[in-house]
Amino acid sequence: EPEVTQTPSHQVTQMGQEVILRCVPISNHLYFYWYRQILGQKVEFLVSFYNNEISEKSEIFDDQFSVERPDGSNFTLKIRSTKLEDSAMYFCASIALTANTEAFFGQGTRLTVV
Amino acid sequence: AQSVTQLDSQVPVFEEAPVELRCNYSSSVSVYLFWYVQYPNQGLQLLLKYLSGSTLVKGINGFEAEFNKSQTSFHLRKPSVHISDTAEYFCAVSDRAGGFKTIFGAGTRLFVKA
Repeated sequence: EPEVTQTPSHQVTQMGQEVILRCVPISNHLYFYWYRQILGQKVEFLVSFYNNEISEKSEIFDDQFSVERPDGSNFTLKIRSTKLEDSAMYFCASIALTANTEAFFGQGTRLTVV
Repeated sequence: AQSVTQLDSQVPVFEEAPVELRCNYSSSVSVYLFWYVQYPNQGLQLLLKYLSGSTLVKGINGFEAEFNKSQTSFHLRKPSVHISDTAEYFCAVSDRAGGFKTIFGAGTRLFVKA
């Protein structure tokens, strides 16, 4: 069964450093998303991406965040200058937008900022 | 705008007893509804989904949920729980107007006692 793949599974970084979280969505999917889950809290929408541009972003997705689809397969989330409060689990998801509009989620990247 | 309310933050229940986790949603258009389970330090696993058709949907691990449009509810049920069902459960909604982004509830912690 096709799946969304995220790497790394866990990343530790120093405050102020840049991090790039990587996702490989399912190959025929057209919509891509990033979500964040701070420990013990709910999953929050960050950004959606369609046709090589951001289609929607939440208030969490400020100027330190950016997304990119650098090639035909990868979808990345960059955090330019990490803060302690960026520590969270980050989930990538993709949707085919056919009759089945279910989002397929990756297993997440746990980001720890120290 | 979409929103999801999970009415119970924690539900303790004895093993082999039935359980219902409550979920209400708000959305202005036709919705797609989901329940996810999250075990400690793990990702999101889809339990079941309502996209269209029958309002009673069956999922994995013996769970089922009923879509009630008039009450805007999508409660999750299991007739007999096991210790291994102890986890966090998230109700979620998406719709076309929202670009199919997934909006999650705050979660319900199911704690199954021996």
